[in-house]
Amino acid sequence: AQRVTQPEKLLSVFKGAPVELKCNYSYSGSPELFWYVQYSRQRLQLLLRHISRESIKGFTADLNKGETSFHLKKPFAQEEDSAMYYCALNRRHDFNKFYFGSGTKLNVKP
Amino acid sequence: DVKVTQSSRYLVKRTGEKVFLECVQDMDHENMFWYRQDPGLGLRLIYFSYDVKMKEKGDIPEGYSVSREKKERFSLILESASTNQTSMYLCASSQQERTEAFFGQGTRLTVV
Repeated sequence: AQRVTQPEKLLSVFKGAPVELKCNYSYSGSPELFWYVQYSRQRLQLLLRHISRESIKGFTADLNKGETSFHLKKPFAQEEDSAMYYCALNRRHDFNKFYFGSGTKLNVKP
Repeated sequence: DVKVTQSSRYLVKRTGEKVFLECVQDMDHENMFWYRQDPGLGLRLIYFSYDVKMKEKGDIPEGYSVSREKKERFSLILESASTNQTSMYLCASSQQERTEAFFGQGTRLTVV
C-alpha cells in the first residue's frame, strides 16, 4: 500500500531559486510526518518534523491534512542543499513504524 | 552523540550463501528497523522489532529473517542470498515515545 508519495524523482533548480519538494501521504490515523535528508556519502538524517513547526537550514514544511500533503519548501536554494530528500510517515498506532517515500534528488546548480 | 553502527560498509556474497547483517545501537532504543534502499524505490521496510525477541514483518520480508536477542543488537539474515537482494541496507532505531529514527551508515551488499 502506497503510504507516502513523492512524485518527483529529480528536481533541478538554480542557486537562489525557490524550491518545493512534494510529499503526499495516506493514513487514516493522526499522522506524524518527517523530512529526512541524505547528503553524498553521509547517513540519512532528520531534517525536520511537522510537530516542531521549525525552520531548519531555511527549510519549512507545513502539514495540510485536507490535502494530505507535507511539502518541503525553501525560498532561496543553495548549492549545499543538493542531496536526496525523503518524506517519512510515522504510524503511531502501528508500533511507531516509519514508512518512507521513494525520494527526490535535489540538484542545485550554480 | 547517538550511534547506530552497522558491522560492514561493503559486502560481496555468492548466490545461495547465508548472509548476516549486524546492527548495534547504543541509545537504549526499544525500536529497531531494517530497510533496503533502492534508486527510484526509496526505503522499503523489511522487518521491525519493538522489543527483545519481538519482530514484525514490514512490506518486503520475503527472503529475509531477523534476530533480536539483545536490546542493542538487531540482525538481518538472508537465508539464501539471491542477486535480486543486491542493495543498500539501512538499519535504524528509535525510542517508543520520541519517534525520531536514527540511521546507521548503511551496508552495500552485492550478491554475485
